[in-house]
Amino acid sequence: QVYLQESGPGLVKPSETLSLTCNVSGASIKSDVYYWSWIRQRPGKGLEYIGHIYKTGSTYYRPSLRGRVTISVDTSKNQFSLRLTSVTVADTAIYYCARAKGDFWGQGTLVKVSA
Amino acid sequence: DIVMTQSPDSLAVSLGERATINCKSSQSLFYSSNNMNYVAWYQHKPGQPPKLLLYWASIRESGVPDRFSGSGSGTDFTLTINSLQAEDVAIYYCQQFRDTPYTFGQGTRLEIE
Repeated sequence: QVYLQESGPGLVKPSETLSLTCNVSGASIKSDVYYWSWIRQRPGKGLEYIGHIYKTGSTYYRPSLRGRVTISVDTSKNQFSLRLTSVTVADTAIYYCARAKGDFWGQGTLVKVSA
Repeated sequence: DIVMTQSPDSLAVSLGERATINCKSSQSLFYSSNNMNYVAWYQHKPGQPPKLLLYWASIRESGVPDRFSGSGSGTDFTLTINSLQAEDVAIYYCQQFRDTPYTFGQGTRLEIE
């Protein structure tokens, strides 16, 4: 069984940087054939695909977030990370990490942007 | 971006009856090189992450009850839940993974009538 667990601050101030890490167990990022993704759900809204990364470091970012978002991978720690800069209240959401096939997800972590 | 539009937004179905949720994409999700439709269906309950039900439009994920089935091709897809159970109350999403960004439908809320 594959497990993913998000970690990071639950409260970020406006204009600052949101940083989350997803720890993967039960699968090896450097051996797996899948991409690893970040998805969010803003309050009262549906699911929004943020982007993904492959074990090689190749990335895709949602166009509306390009310039603010960075996804990185550390295969030695079997984890991948999300950085979102210059956050606003509109970035308040539950952030999920997931294997891009959609079969394994983290529980999700609520990040609130507030002063 | 490929737009995924689900219908209805919500529906109420009696226990033991059938629920049908539709998903329409703004572009074909069929990939001729492997004859597959790049669509997945998820079940999302409060406080839990989305659960993958079906991928390639109709392939049931391991462990998913066979009362869940998927059909369709091209731009029109359907999730059918037969013999509705109380634990099926959730929001259901379709997602396309034919082209980035891998967009989701707006969700369909399923309740018991």
